[in-house]
Amino acid sequence: EPEVTQTPSHQVTQMGQEVILRCVPISNHLYFYWYRQILGQKVEFLVSFYNNEISEKSEIFDDQFSVERPDGSNFTLKIRSTKLEDSAMYFCASSEESLAGGPSSYNEQFFGPGTRLTVL
Amino acid sequence: DQQVKQNSPSLSVQEGRISILNCDYTNSMFDYFLWYKKYPAEGPTFLISISSIKDKNEDGRFTVFLNKSAKHLSLHIVPSQPGDSAVYFCAARMKTSYDKVIFGPGTSLSVIP
Repeated sequence: EPEVTQTPSHQVTQMGQEVILRCVPISNHLYFYWYRQILGQKVEFLVSFYNNEISEKSEIFDDQFSVERPDGSNFTLKIRSTKLEDSAMYFCASSEESLAGGPSSYNEQFFGPGTRLTVL
Repeated sequence: DQQVKQNSPSLSVQEGRISILNCDYTNSMFDYFLWYKKYPAEGPTFLISISSIKDKNEDGRFTVFLNKSAKHLSLHIVPSQPGDSAVYFCAARMKTSYDKVIFGPGTSLSVIP
């Protein structure tokens, strides 16, 4: 069964350093997402990406964050200068189509296993 | 910002009995509601959904009920199995922001053999 994969599973970095989290979405999916979950808190939407551009982003996704699809398979999240509060589990997700199917439909988002980011 | 609430952080149920997980929401703009299940060291897995135009959706052992007037939904699992032990997230999608899924804080379900 196809699945979303993420690397690395755990990333430790020093405050102020740049990190790149990598994801390989399911191959025929066109819509990509990043979420994060700070320890003990809820899963939070960061950004969605389609057709090589951001389609939506949350207030969390500030100028320190960027996303890219550098080739046909990878989808990356870059944090330019990490802060202590960026420590969290970061989940990548993908879906075949947009979630905008109207009130009678929902296109499932498939999540990866996550990358645990620890900022020291 | 507690648009999706799950007031029970944990729930224990005997194997074979019914598990009922509750969720409340505050935003009338939600048009689709979702339940995700999460095991440790894995990402959330979609379980079942319900459109705001329906009041019930059933898939095998899982049934979701929606009470729009009360802004309340619940997930029923019957019969509960030990493999159902996981964290269950209630989530919702907004009419005006289809890409964004808003999650609740989760309820940890333990099914005791």
